[in-house]
Amino acid sequence: DIQMTQSPSTLSASVGDRVAITCRASQNINNFLAWYQQKPGRAPKLLISRASALESGVPSRFSGSGSGTEFTLTISGLHPDDFATYYCQNYGSYSYTFGQGTKLEIK
Amino acid sequence: EGQLQESGGGVVQPGGSLRLSCVVSGFTFDEYAMHWVRQVPGKGLEWVSGISWDSGTWGYGDFVKGRFTVSRDNGKNSLYLEMNSLRLEDTALYYCVTTGLSVADAFDLWGRGTAVIVSS
Repeated sequence: DIQMTQSPSTLSASVGDRVAITCRASQNINNFLAWYQQKPGRAPKLLISRASALESGVPSRFSGSGSGTEFTLTISGLHPDDFATYYCQNYGSYSYTFGQGTKLEIK
Repeated sequence: EGQLQESGGGVVQPGGSLRLSCVVSGFTFDEYAMHWVRQVPGKGLEWVSGISWDSGTWGYGDFVKGRFTVSRDNGKNSLYLEMNSLRLEDTALYYCVTTGLSVADAFDLWGRGTAVIVSS
């Protein structure tokens, strides 16, 4: 089974900062990687699919990169609305594995 | 915009059964693959089960071990999850989600979830 490992588990930052969250797969997953944002009491929201394809309506300060086993979600210029938990996910045919999540906190 | 509304959650004793339902609106349900994803409060996300648009293929997370059955009724725009032999560790919020036209894609639309509590 593919394992997805995110780092860090918690990230403290300030409004306006540029932050990066890393996701590592236990084997090559090509670009079958998505990123989600989840706020307390809400369902997750898809931000990025295919490692770098921004979903419609997602601000351009969010970007994704990587391929194979190493992936990064970058937020350039944090807004107050961005403080949330972020999950990476590998997806395939009836095989979907999430990372453990990264909580982005206000410093 | 599409909407997914789950129901059927509740409190059940270990070994008991529940049937979750998800009614969909705002998109062509019978073209879309559908899934169930769960989340223990305060914890991470876990894929439970999925089914293709035509019910031709389906799959389950390893932890299901034959206890759950996924199904759909395209005439009713509905997705179901029959859960038997429930365990304490099945306690979670269960989300109905879609991956669009393909089974092998990201989860692009989520419901608000229905809570399942397994407790003696």
